[in-house]
Amino acid sequence: EDKVVQSPLSLVVHEGDTVTLNCSYEVTNFRSLLWYKQEKKAPTFLFMLTSSGIEKKSGRLSSILDKKELFSILNITATQTGDSAIYLCAVEYYGQNFVFGPGTRLSVLP
Amino acid sequence: DGGITQSPKYLFRKEGQNVTLSCEQNLNHDAMYWYRQDPGQGLRLIYYSQIVNDFQKGDIAEGYSVSREKKESFPLTVTSAQKNPTAFYLCASSEVANYEQYFGPGTRLTVT
Repeated sequence: EDKVVQSPLSLVVHEGDTVTLNCSYEVTNFRSLLWYKQEKKAPTFLFMLTSSGIEKKSGRLSSILDKKELFSILNITATQTGDSAIYLCAVEYYGQNFVFGPGTRLSVLP
Repeated sequence: DGGITQSPKYLFRKEGQNVTLSCEQNLNHDAMYWYRQDPGQGLRLIYYSQIVNDFQKGDIAEGYSVSREKKESFPLTVTSAQKNPTAFYLCASSEVANYEQYFGPGTRLTVT
């Protein structure tokens, strides 16, 4: 069965800390992996990854994909309270299908 | 087990036909949402409902309709007016509006 697993499910850190969120997947005919940030509104698109080993960066956020080991990580450096959110990982696979992970709830304390 | 169910996982229809996607939740959530996910794009909000018998258009409501007759159910109808209906549709719910959302497994609709 196609699935996406995220870890940890919940994480509490203090401002300034660096966090690493994990997403592993098992799908048939992988196409891409997506990261979203969900706050008190609709999810915001962060990254789309299709190639292994190529880091994508946006400010303090970065992400990389390992298609051999079937996982991706999302790094957030120098965390701020505004980074508090649920981070969703989703995978697109054959036939333009998607499967979403359960999300990681990140709480950044001042 | 509490959660959101969407059925079926895969749906096929002929062009020109209306089709209704099911979304049911037993989480006792007030708010429910419908999103569309296309390759290479972020999730786009179609419709949302904050309470029974009330719903609002999202960013891409044209060609879609919804109803919210019961708290636990928020079906989405993709009408023949929707120009590009083939997509992955994701339903979500939250305890109250603008709070963390729980997502269903999605339905892949293919219209030929």
